Amino acid sequence: DTGVSQDPRHKITKRGQNVTFRCDPISEHNRLYWYRQTLGQGPEFLTYFQNEAQLEKSRLLSDRFSAERPKGSFSTLEIQRTEQGDSAMYLCASSRPDSMAFFGQGTRLTVV
Amino acid sequence: KQEVTQIPAALSVPEGENLVLNCSFTDSAIYNLQWFRQDPGKGLTSLLLIQSSQREQTSGRLNASLDKSSGRSTLYIAASQPGDSATYLCAVRIEGSNYKLTFGKGTLLTVNP
Repeated sequence: DTGVSQDPRHKITKRGQNVTFRCDPISEHNRLYWYRQTLGQGPEFLTYFQNEAQLEKSRLLSDRFSAERPKGSFSTLEIQRTEQGDSAMYLCASSRPDSMAFFGQGTRLTVV
Repeated sequence: KQEVTQIPAALSVPEGENLVLNCSFTDSAIYNLQWFRQDPGKGLTSLLLIQSSQREQTSGRLNASLDKSSGRSTLYIAASQPGDSATYLCAVRIEGSNYKLTFGKGTLLTVNP
């Protein structure tokens, strides 16, 4: 059990570019979540996967955002045509049903 | 809509002091409550999970209590150490949404040597 792994840890991109983040959950955790955190705030829910199925997307997730979890293993979060307002920490978490959620170290996105 | 509030927003204590962090939530229909620790620029470290049917959970110097009916939880830290300095976040999972966590803004704890 190596914990939740996220890559990259930091990403600086120009406005209008596309970015993709990767999350590797704890093995055998069938639940995977993405959250976004801005400075001084708690994390906000973005989306949830149970195995490979994306079961809920927050209204925060505009149509420029897409997430996938092929084969129910790792997940990717893509942001198209990035905007300065997308600058935040993107956190991935995983869990078993009814148990504690474990978070990764996050990807810090800066849009310049 | 569930709202989670953490008081105080910041707390500074001398090393060795016992302290309590507070978390309140507006909708008592919760499935469980979880406490996390976050170091600057880092992800979240899971500390304790309390199911709605439980009153408290303990891990080492940490003790978390839950009063579901009054919408409150406390995190008690005994014999604080400088290494405990971090932001502490509480999050609730509401009934009917057994996967989404709603977070407070956190309490920034500083333990001075």
